[in-house]
Amino acid sequence: DAGVIQSPRHEVTEMGQEVTLRCKPISGHNSLFWYRQTMMRGLELLIYFNNNVPIDDSGMPEDRFSAKMPNASFSTLKIQPSEPRDSAVYFCASSLSRGGNEQFFGPGTRLTVL
Amino acid sequence: AQKVTQAQTEISVVEKEDVTLDCVYETRDTTYYLFWYKQPPSGELVFLIRRNSFDEQNEISGRYSWNFQKSTSSFNFTITASQVVDSAVYFCALSEAKWTSYGKLTFGQGTILTVHP
Repeated sequence: DAGVIQSPRHEVTEMGQEVTLRCKPISGHNSLFWYRQTMMRGLELLIYFNNNVPIDDSGMPEDRFSAKMPNASFSTLKIQPSEPRDSAVYFCASSLSRGGNEQFFGPGTRLTVL
Repeated sequence: AQKVTQAQTEISVVEKEDVTLDCVYETRDTTYYLFWYKQPPSGELVFLIRRNSFDEQNEISGRYSWNFQKSTSSFNFTITASQVVDSAVYFCALSEAKWTSYGKLTFGQGTILTVHP
């Protein structure tokens, strides 16, 4: 079975540009999570969805960040406009939403904003 | 609110030494799950183990073992005879058991383990 798929794996952009990160969860999983990882802050939960509905976006740092899940097999995280401090590795993870199920992580997208 | 604390920021050992990674958690739930994840230098996060709060039996899997003690709210992870390939960041995590958790995990800050040859 395919795991969680993220694209692109690496993204280098200039400050002010729009960035879109993509995620395809594991088929059959109904919860999807977006995380950001930096040296300074560690692993931060940005937003999560259940059955395509955003449940908690309190971790989204600013209005420049937005996330959508138009269907069960696709989600995007958009940053507009991007800033150098957004440079990080962004992970997508999916799970079955019953409590106690492990999350399966994608390989991450390494974002560099110059 | 839930909280996971990994007090050890970094641990450095020499190959073949045993090493224990500490994890202490806080929750008001009576039923919950605990997890360990590994993040090797390649960057991906890999699920290692899940335990539920009903089961305090310790578990051994090869060189890995886990010690769950509800009385001290701890879920420690021991690597026996460490190897260089064990070098990674290790995360402890906690989730509620109820369905309204939607599978959300609360992660600790991680412990960087370096095993020197």
